[in-house]
Amino acid sequence: EVQLVESGGGLVQPGGSLRVSCVASGFTFSSYWMSWVRQAPGKGLEWVANIKQDGTEKYYVDSVKGRFTISRDNAKNSLYLQMNSLRAEDTAVFYCGRVVGANYFDYWGQGTLVTVSS
Amino acid sequence: EIVLTQSPATLSLSPGERATLSCRASQSVSSYLAWYQQKPGQAPRLLIYDASNRATGIPARFSGSGSGTDFTLTISSLEPEDFAVYYCQQRTNWPPIFTFGPGTKVDIK
Repeated sequence: EVQLVESGGGLVQPGGSLRVSCVASGFTFSSYWMSWVRQAPGKGLEWVANIKQDGTEKYYVDSVKGRFTISRDNAKNSLYLQMNSLRAEDTAVFYCGRVVGANYFDYWGQGTLVTVSS
Repeated sequence: EIVLTQSPATLSLSPGERATLSCRASQSVSSYLAWYQQKPGQAPRLLIYDASNRATGIPARFSGSGSGTDFTLTISSLEPEDFAVYYCQQRTNWPPIFTFGPGTKVDIK
């Protein structure tokens, strides 16, 4: 059974940093692109970043470029999102997602809530 | 940047009725479009990929159609568990970035 389990969310002050993690199981993690998608409270879905199987390619939505860094550790079946210079508008549930066929998200974690507030 | 527009924003229907949801892209995405269902407090679930292919385990009452810029998700007969928010999604060819539509909420009339 494919499972994605996020962790690391919490309350952080504006300008602060946080790293969220996602542990994968039930599939060959190193064979898939992976992504982070977020959802602000009461709002829609927003893709944040994705990373190639070997970590050599990474892409970001414009609003997080230069502040967020996606990474992975295939030996640990883990995906990470390092978030720096956090803003109130980054408050959201962050989901990790497995990318299938390079185009879509076929499995999602349950999400971890990041709240940026003083 | 490709922008996805969904209509209507809210669709109020009764169980057993047919639901027709629209997604329009600002430029052609060929058939590379997906639909997701999201219920409150849950992660999204992939329903349809490549515009018309049902994902694993998705009931036959869900169908997708369209290509280019205009796409439709149809739920042939609404079940109580189908009342949710539905998002369309596409990926640009290069760089590989993803965008979602704003969503259509299907609620009980």
